Amino acid sequence: TQLLEQSPQFLSIQEGENLTVYCNSSSVFSSLQWYRQEPGEGPVLLVTVVTGGEVKKLKRLTFQFGDARKDSSLHITAAQPGDTGLYLCAGTSGTYKYIFGTGTRLKVLA
Amino acid sequence: KAGVTQTPRYLIKTRGQQVTLSCSPISGHRSVSWYQQTPGQGLQFLFEYFSETQRNKGNFPGRFSGRQFSNSRSEMNVSTLELGDSALYLCASSLSGPWDTEAFFGQGTRLTVV
Repeated sequence: TQLLEQSPQFLSIQEGENLTVYCNSSSVFSSLQWYRQEPGEGPVLLVTVVTGGEVKKLKRLTFQFGDARKDSSLHITAAQPGDTGLYLCAGTSGTYKYIFGTGTRLKVLA
Repeated sequence: KAGVTQTPRYLIKTRGQQVTLSCSPISGHRSVSWYQQTPGQGLQFLFEYFSETQRNKGNFPGRFSGRQFSNSRSEMNVSTLELGDSALYLCASSLSGPWDTEAFFGQGTRLTVV
């Protein structure tokens, strides 16, 4: 059973479009992270959110942690080909240690 | 500063053999975590070491083990390899743990079991 479900699983969009990726769970997490992974490389940490309702912005990326700390979203504004990659959320809780989401594979076409 | 270094990058082993993978963390980082990534199961947490002690463990069989040395370098061992162990094995280092706001992954070791 996957504890962190991401949607959509795949996304192919044109350069300049906006998109949102979701990370959902029925469990509460004490913190949640988002990573981007490119082929042949390890994941790169984008952000860590720890407070319910928290919103963090990183240039064109906006991250939100749900009020109940069970879900999170990643919004990209004006996507660029350099945003292409596998996006992963990961959550920490006392019970489940450290769990990764199912992943969203994004392709941005020029 | 130097990043997380994993060796070797690629490895081919035969079913039933054992394998040892190495991870050198960023200088000053005391936490090293190991992960298995496969197309079917995604990225799964194996275990985490902090100051030479295993602090957290994922849901993997006892064939998967690890250790951490006093210089924070870590090794992961898989005994009696199975075909299903073929995967990209990643390690990450951080100051305090995988949930750290500054956690860095290596490029991984791609293990193929034939």
